[in-house]
This record gives sequence, C-alpha cells and structure tokens, in this order.
Amino acid sequence: DARVTQTPRHKVTEMGQEVTMRCQPILGHNTVFWYRQTMMQGLELLAYFRNRAPLDDSGMPKDRFSAEMPDATLATLKIQPSEPRDSAVYFCASGLVRSGGYRDEQFFGPGTRLTVL
Amino acid sequence: KNEVEQSPQNLTAQEGEFITINCSYSVGISALHWLQQHPGGGIVSLFMLSSGKKKHGRLIATINIQEKHSSLHITASHPRDSAVYICAVSEWETSGSRLTFGEGTQLTVNP
Repeated sequence: DARVTQTPRHKVTEMGQEVTMRCQPILGHNTVFWYRQTMMQGLELLAYFRNRAPLDDSGMPKDRFSAEMPDATLATLKIQPSEPRDSAVYFCASGLVRSGGYRDEQFFGPGTRLTVL
Repeated sequence: KNEVEQSPQNLTAQEGEFITINCSYSVGISALHWLQQHPGGGIVSLFMLSSGKKKHGRLIATINIQEKHSSLHITASHPRDSAVYICAVSEWETSGSRLTFGEGTQLTVNP
C-alpha cells in the first residue's frame, strides 16, 4: 500500500558535519511537510511545500537548514553544519490539497532519528 | 498559552475502561486531527474532522467548533491502545494545511 518513505531511518554524526535526510511522498500527493520532534518542544513544523514550491519555512533556522523538492518524488532536508541541538526525530508527511481547498489527511513517514554528537 | 492544549498529559487505565482525551484550541481552524504515536515512534493519523463526530472501530472523535473543543474516546480499551495521542489543528489558509500540535497525551492501558 502507498506510504511515505524516509531515509536514513537513523543517523549519528559529529557536530559540524552535513546531514541530508530524504523523503519520498505518496505518489499523487501535492503537499509535503517536514516536522521535527524533540522531548522539549514536541512536534513542530519546519517547512512545507505545495506542488514543489516552498510555502513556509519559517520554522527552520535559515542559516543552517535548507529544504528542497528537486522533483515530485523527492523532498530533502539538509543541515549544514549540524549541531548537538539538532538531535531529534525528523518526520516527513504528505497530503493532498484538492481544487477548492479541500484537504485530505496527512500521512507520516517513519521518521529519521538524528543524533549529533 | 499554547494554541492547542490537551488534557490529561498522562493517563493510566485498566483494560476495558472507557477513555476520554480532550483537546482545546484557540485559533480558527479548517480541520482538527487526532494522531497516534506508538512507542516505536511511527505516527498514524486516526481522524481528521471539521464538524460533528467520526467513528472508527473502538475510537470516536467529536468536535464542537463553537466551543473550540474536541474529544477522543476509546471504548473497551486494550493494552495495544497504549500510545501517545496527539491533537493537531490545521489553520485555514489558502495555500497550505500546516499543522499546529498539542503536547500529546501518554496513554497506558494495563491488562
């Protein structure tokens, strides 16, 4: 059945290294979200795209985070340079916004657990 | 004050009990979502609703738009229902459907 996939599932890296997380949304979905979950902050939105165009990335630290959708089947979230405070689980989710603004539910990927030492 | 508040934060129940988790929000919304996160970390969407009530198996979700309040009910609870339940709202926008999350309710159902 259709599902959102994310790679890698786990990543351990050293402070200062570049981290790239990838997400494959469900085929046909036109909205992609990046969320971060930490014990302290819970779930928070980092960025989201509709039809591959970035709509809101106000939740991301601009100096180190970047999010892109090179094509409709791939979304990426990069951190450069990474810091220990970036340690979290990063979730990608996709959904469908239909004509007239009707929104379907969001489907979440399994997440990437990032640890920055 | 958080835009989305859940209660209780933690809930322990015995198998078979009827469970209610509450969610209040302070912003105008297009929809409210109930999500379930199991200990393994995966997040599953349980319900998306904008009015009235929805039922799926032993789960029931209700929303009162005027009072800005929603409840998630679990009937005949089971240990496999143990998880974190998260309320989230999508604010009405013309070009997106970003979610704002509550802090979650940790539910433990003991056999």
